[in-house]
This record gives sequence, C-alpha cells and structure tokens, in this order.
Amino acid sequence: GDSVTQMEGPVTLSEEAFLTINCTYTATGYPSLFWYVQYPGEGLQLLLKATKADDKGSNKGFEATYRKETTSFHLEKGSVQVSDSAVYFCALTGARGAAGNKLTFGGGTRVLVKP
Amino acid sequence: GAGVSQSPSNKVTEKGKDVELRCDPISGHTALYWYRQSLGQGLEFLIYFQGNSAPDKSGLPSDRFSAERTGGSVSTLTIQRTQQEDSAVYLCASSQTLNTEAFFGQGTRLTVV
Repeated sequence: GDSVTQMEGPVTLSEEAFLTINCTYTATGYPSLFWYVQYPGEGLQLLLKATKADDKGSNKGFEATYRKETTSFHLEKGSVQVSDSAVYFCALTGARGAAGNKLTFGGGTRVLVKP
Repeated sequence: GAGVSQSPSNKVTEKGKDVELRCDPISGHTALYWYRQSLGQGLEFLIYFQGNSAPDKSGLPSDRFSAERTGGSVSTLTIQRTQQEDSAVYLCASSQTLNTEAFFGQGTRLTVV
C-alpha cells in the first residue's frame, strides 16, 4: 500500500536558519503530494501541495518540489522564524481510482525555532 | 458551514462506557476521513468514506470501533466499551474530490478515566 516516510524530529534550529524536512513516498501511479502543518494548540492545515511531477508547491516562504525520479517531496524554507515552530506532516493521496485515494500521512516532524 | 465541524470538542468518559463522536464535513465534500492522534504522536488512519463506495475500514484498531456516514454527509464514530488507551484526539477531515486537499476539523479530545 501507499506509505510516506519523513525524517524524525525534533528539529531545533535558530531563527533565520535554513530548514529542510525530508519526505519520501511509495505509491502506485502519480499521487498528489501535500505538506500539512499543525501549530501549537491548533488544528491541521494545508501548507502546500503539488499534483504532478516537477510541480513546485509554495506558501509562506516554504517550498517543496515533486520529484518523481526520487519519489521525494522535501520541504524547505530559507529563513525560519519563531512562528514556524510547529509539527509538519507530509502526505499523499493515491491515484488508483475513487476507492483508493485515502490521504496517507507520514509520522510528522516537530520543528522548534529558537530566537 | 464554512469548515469541518466536530462535536464534542472535549469528552471525558469512564472506562467501559460507549462514546459517539460526530463530524459535519464541508457541504459537497464526497470524501470523509477519521484519524486519531495520541499525545505527541503522528496521525493514525482509522476509516475513510468516499461517495457511495464501501468505506475503507482497514485502520480501525478493534471491533469496538465503528463508524457510519448517513446520507453522504454527517459521520459518527462510535467507540464501545472504552479503554484508557483510547484516549486521544480524534480528527475528522473532508475533501471535495479526488486528489484534492483535505480540510480538518478541530478534533475531539477524548479522555477515558
């Protein structure tokens, strides 16, 4: 079945540092890929997405590129802020037809940005 | 409503009691998911409804857990004979169509004492 693997946290870094969270996946066909974020005390919300190979999703200074050849969707931000402290989840929906498109999540990566 | 609504937001129950958790998805969304998130942990898939297809129940941890979705809209997750290990935040999400983003509710925090 489909699966998502992302780097374990916590990731601790200083403000203005460069952030990378690795995400790789296993899926049939061409899934859609997502990054969700959960800020402290809040619900899950979509951060960015990409629906086909070589697409780049971007939002709030974060970027991720859909790499079919390496089955990856790594999240990057060039200069993090304290407000970026959150748990980040990589996810996919499969491409096997209506019954097989459930959203599959990675285990989440906790990021802590210190001033 | 404007978003996915879950009720109650918090539920404390005694071990052995049954509980029902409700999810109102965004109107028109055909897909509905239930996940469980234990403290400091990731998201555990429970069950997935897509239109009129048979639900994917492969994530339900035991036969004490069941869910239904009436009229393709509201969903209820039922946990029978609750155990302390059932304590977690139960999240519901819905999405409009294939391969589109899912919108999450705020969750129901269940505490079994």
